Amino acid sequence: QSALTQPASVSGSPGQSITISCTGTSSDIGAYNYVSWYQQHPGKAPKLMIYEVNNRPSGVSNRFSGSKSDNTAFLTISGLQAEDEAEYYCSSYRFGSTYVFGTGTKVTVL
Amino acid sequence: QVQLVESGGGVVQPGRSLRLSCTASGFTFKSCAMHWVRQAPGKGLEWVATISYDGRSTYYADSVKGRFTISRDDSKNMLFLQMNSLRTEDTSVFYCAPTVRTPFEEWGQGTLVTVS
Repeated sequence: QSALTQPASVSGSPGQSITISCTGTSSDIGAYNYVSWYQQHPGKAPKLMIYEVNNRPSGVSNRFSGSKSDNTAFLTISGLQAEDEAEYYCSSYRFGSTYVFGTGTKVTVL
Repeated sequence: QVQLVESGGGVVQPGRSLRLSCTASGFTFKSCAMHWVRQAPGKGLEWVATISYDGRSTYYADSVKGRFTISRDDSKNMLFLQMNSLRTEDTSVFYCAPTVRTPFEEWGQGTLVTVS
């Protein structure tokens, strides 16, 4: 059960936009719209930021948006802020009633 | 608001067993599938197991299949993870999470299991 592939790190200056990719297969991201994104600050529990590809839970800033193309999902953070510096993980439902997480991406605000 | 409190973690020797618990509140527990997710020190998130809302179906990651058992007690709003034949590579923080509207919608603070 291999993990979804994310870049190890992405960085940007305050106010800029960054995009994190999450690459899976035709058995997970490519087959289902159950892609989610999580933010995790050091020593804290993950927090849901995007669900079902492009939906934001109540309370999550509209600077966060999601999309998907074929077997790859994307998280875009616009108007980057210092508090956005964290680890970000994607997840997807996978054929066989299982789930898979991404390898994680560290976002650095320069 | 949703609250999830994991407990039962600790230090255990390889080959031994441990049972984790998760006490849930703030949502209709009996109507929700529940999950366990773990995170090894300095590593990423790994899905471990899922139990359906009615407890009739369970699913496991290959890495724990045959060793871990997920269960629930709806009368107490509790989720469990029985972990047998523990290995050093099972050392992780274990989180429970519900599917309220979507999987892994809310997270507890986790409980640390150290196999050593």
